[in-house]
Amino acid sequence: SQKIEQNSEALNIQEGKTATLTCNYTNYSPAYLQWYRQDPGRGPVFLLLIRENEKEKRKERLKVTFDTTLKQSLFHITASQPADSATYLCALEGTASKLTFGTGTRLQVTL
Amino acid sequence: DTGVSQDPRHKITKRGQNVTFRCDPISEHNRLYWYRQTLGQGPEFLTYFQNEAQLEKSRLLSDRFSAERPKGSFSTLEIQRTEQGDSAMYLCASSLSGGGDTEAFFGQGTRLTVV
Repeated sequence: SQKIEQNSEALNIQEGKTATLTCNYTNYSPAYLQWYRQDPGRGPVFLLLIRENEKEKRKERLKVTFDTTLKQSLFHITASQPADSATYLCALEGTASKLTFGTGTRLQVTL
Repeated sequence: DTGVSQDPRHKITKRGQNVTFRCDPISEHNRLYWYRQTLGQGPEFLTYFQNEAQLEKSRLLSDRFSAERPKGSFSTLEIQRTEQGDSAMYLCASSLSGGGDTEAFFGQGTRLTVV
């Protein structure tokens, strides 16, 4: 069955550093992979989408890579700020744009 | 547009009672999705509509669950004879259908607690 793995342990980094989150998947060949941010008690918010034929995508301080051979996506936040503290969800887009999510990784940025 | 709206935000109910949640999607979006999220997990797909047609249901959606989207606008999700295992955050999302690479807009969710 399809499986998406994100590091379940929280990632703690210092303000100004680059945060790197990992998403690995098996038994799946998605055409699109998406990243969402979720704050406690709120719904996920879309951040970035990357296509299978794209190696890298950037948006402001965010960068996503997509390696279909390794079946892995990396999500980077550069110059991290305390306001970036949240849970980040990786999602694979299937038929009818139905999303299959990973468990999410909680990021904590400290001063 | 104010985005996807869900009501209520919180619901506490006794085991065995029926509950109904409402979702108002972004008006021009023809696709509407329901997801369920439990603590420490990512959202799990339940069902989706294209306009008023319910096109797919997850095996997670037991016979006690029913969803509707009359006239292709708002949607309701009803859970009959609630069980403690139904306690979760129920999320609604909407999007425009297309060739893929479609951003989903989520509501704030309805947190259900079954006591």
